Amino acid sequence: NAGVTQTPKFQVLKTGQSMTLQCAQDMNHNSMYWYRQDPGMGLRLIYYSASEGTTDKGEVPNGYNVSRLNKREFSLRLESAAPSQTSVYFCASSETRSNEKLFFGSGTQLSVL
Amino acid sequence: GENVEQHPSTLSVQEGDSAVIKCTYSDSASNYFPWYKQELGKRPQLIIDIRSNVGEKKDQRIAVTLNKTAKHFSLHITETQPEDSAVYFCAASMGGANNLFFGTGTRLTVIP
Repeated sequence: NAGVTQTPKFQVLKTGQSMTLQCAQDMNHNSMYWYRQDPGMGLRLIYYSASEGTTDKGEVPNGYNVSRLNKREFSLRLESAAPSQTSVYFCASSETRSNEKLFFGSGTQLSVL
Repeated sequence: GENVEQHPSTLSVQEGDSAVIKCTYSDSASNYFPWYKQELGKRPQLIIDIRSNVGEKKDQRIAVTLNKTAKHFSLHITETQPEDSAVYFCAASMGGANNLFFGTGTRLTVIP
């Protein structure tokens, strides 16, 4: 039982490049989330998926897209990376959207040059 | 949305002493208040949470208190140990994990 697994752990991009961050959970959770963590700003919600087949914007969605591929997998895509997207990205899951207990992945450190 | 403020941003204590981290929230509709611990380079992990119908909750050396009138809640760690060194985040939600707003974090250092 691995919990929430994210790939890659580290990534360096040039401005304008695209990439997809992958996330998978094996806890049979219905809801999944993408956060970014910046120094001095805590965790901010980018997008979430309350259940398979649905996605919704969070607090800071601009510049990102997501796909809930199936119940287990939720990916985050940067179409044209910008230096302002340099951050640590965390995927998380919860049993349901109404159950606020989050289980986090190990994070992806992304640098955009 | 909700605004959660957390203080202090850094805290150093001697091993065995107590540590207190305080958070305030802006929306009186918030009813769920978790605390997450993030060790260096690791993922955030839930350590304790409290709902608005409870004033205090304890789990061994950690406790959380909630003052709904003043809209603030605090994390108390007693008999601190070096392994308590980490960044601690508070959060508040008015319902649903998508409505969870985090504080900016407190870096706690326990000095042996």
